[in-house]
Amino acid sequence: DQQVKQNSPSLSVQEGRISILNCDYTNSMFDYFLWYKKYPAEGPTFLISISSIKDKNEDGRFTVFLNKSAKHLSLHIVPSQPGDSAVYFCAASGGGGSNYKLTFGKGTLLTVNP
Amino acid sequence: KAGVTQTPRYLIKTRGQQVTLSCSPISGHRSVSWYQQTPGQGLQFLFEYFSETQRNKGNFPGRFSGRQFSNSRSEMNVSTLELGDSALYLCASSWGISTYNEQFFGPGTRLTVL
Repeated sequence: DQQVKQNSPSLSVQEGRISILNCDYTNSMFDYFLWYKKYPAEGPTFLISISSIKDKNEDGRFTVFLNKSAKHLSLHIVPSQPGDSAVYFCAASGGGGSNYKLTFGKGTLLTVNP
Repeated sequence: KAGVTQTPRYLIKTRGQQVTLSCSPISGHRSVSWYQQTPGQGLQFLFEYFSETQRNKGNFPGRFSGRQFSNSRSEMNVSTLELGDSALYLCASSWGISTYNEQFFGPGTRLTVL
C-alpha cells in the first residue's frame, strides 16, 4: 500500500516557466512533509519542508503548498532553470508514537528545457 | 565539513552470497537511516539507528540487518542475496532521530546481484 504517491513519473517545462510537482498521501497521521531533489549518481538533497500546521512554505524560487483536507501537496518552482532538471521526491513522516521514518513517493523526473 | 560517505560505491555479487555496506555519517550526526532505491518502488525505508540502537524498521525480510557503532558509523548486511536485491542503497544521517531534523544523504552503494 503506497502511502505517498507521485502520479506523474515525468514533467517537462520551458526555462523561465513554472514547474508544479504534485504529491498525494493517504495517511492522515502524517504531520511533516519534505521535498528532496536527486541528480544521477548522487544521493537526494533536501529542498524544502512543511509542517502540517502550515499551508505554505517559501524558500527562494521554491514554494510548497499543503492542502490537508485533500491530502495533497505541491512544489512550485518559479522560474524554472535548466539546473533544476532532476528527480524530485516527496516524503512524509509522522504516524504517531515514535514513527519518525520517512515515507517517500516514487519520484517525478523534471526536465527543464532551455 | 565532510558529507555522508558510503563504501563501496559499486558492488557485484551472486545469488546466495552476503554483503556488507558501510556508511559514515556527517561528524556530529547521531542518527543513520538506510533506504533502498529501485526503479519500480522508489525509495523505501530499511531501518534507522540512533546511539547504536535500532529505532525504526521498514517492511523488509530478516535477511536485511544493520548495526551502528559508538562513533555513529553504520553497516547494513544482506544475507542470502536474491536477484531482487539489486538496487541503490542509500544512507542518510541527521543530528537527531526526529525527521524534523534534515536528513543528509550519501551517494549510495549500487549493488548488482547476478
